[in-house]
Amino acid sequence: SQELEQSPQSLIVQEGKNLTINCTSSKTLYGLYWYKQKYGEGLIFLMMLQKGGEEKSHEKITAKLDEKKQQSSLHITASQPSHAGIYLCGADEGTSYGKLTFGQGTILTVHP
Amino acid sequence: DGGITQSPKYLFRKEGQNVTLSCEQNLNHDAMYWYRQDPGQGLRLIYYSQIVNDFQKGDIAEGYSVSREKKESFPLTVTSAQKNPTAFYLCASSIDPVAGQETQYFGPGTRLLVL
Repeated sequence: SQELEQSPQSLIVQEGKNLTINCTSSKTLYGLYWYKQKYGEGLIFLMMLQKGGEEKSHEKITAKLDEKKQQSSLHITASQPSHAGIYLCGADEGTSYGKLTFGQGTILTVHP
Repeated sequence: DGGITQSPKYLFRKEGQNVTLSCEQNLNHDAMYWYRQDPGQGLRLIYYSQIVNDFQKGDIAEGYSVSREKKESFPLTVTSAQKNPTAFYLCASSIDPVAGQETQYFGPGTRLLVL
């Protein structure tokens, strides 16, 4: 089965700083999803990437999928306290029912 | 407003007791999923259902049961056979993964604690 490794496991930054979270897969990715979670709440869908080299942006968050489709990065520009939370990547395993395998998550803290 | 609702927010289980977690969606999504989240770990799939009256085991189905009698509802029962049920349970749905519309949208979660 597919395994996803996220790095770093946790990250503490000062407001206004840029940061990057990585997600590395043991297999080629059919699709890669990024979600954000506040502690004790559900996951909020951020972006989905499918094509090698694809890049998507939403407000100050940019996600990329590398050409070989085995690694994705999530970049936040000029971080704000509202960006704090847990970021999870999920890999589409290519099943007919849309099975996702998730990384363990990256905990982001943004100090004002 | 369309969305996924889960209830209760917190649930306490006594030893030997079965408890049922509710998941309802009004998005008209075909597929629904149940995940378990433990601290420091990603989500693990318990059960999924692609259509009404059909469901399949995920990676960690032992000690759990589900039903899908209506398109909008996918309740999860945690049975007494589940020896370590304390976790955060998340329900999700997607439009139609068979047709390629597989982005999953999540409910707010239920935290289950054992007394």
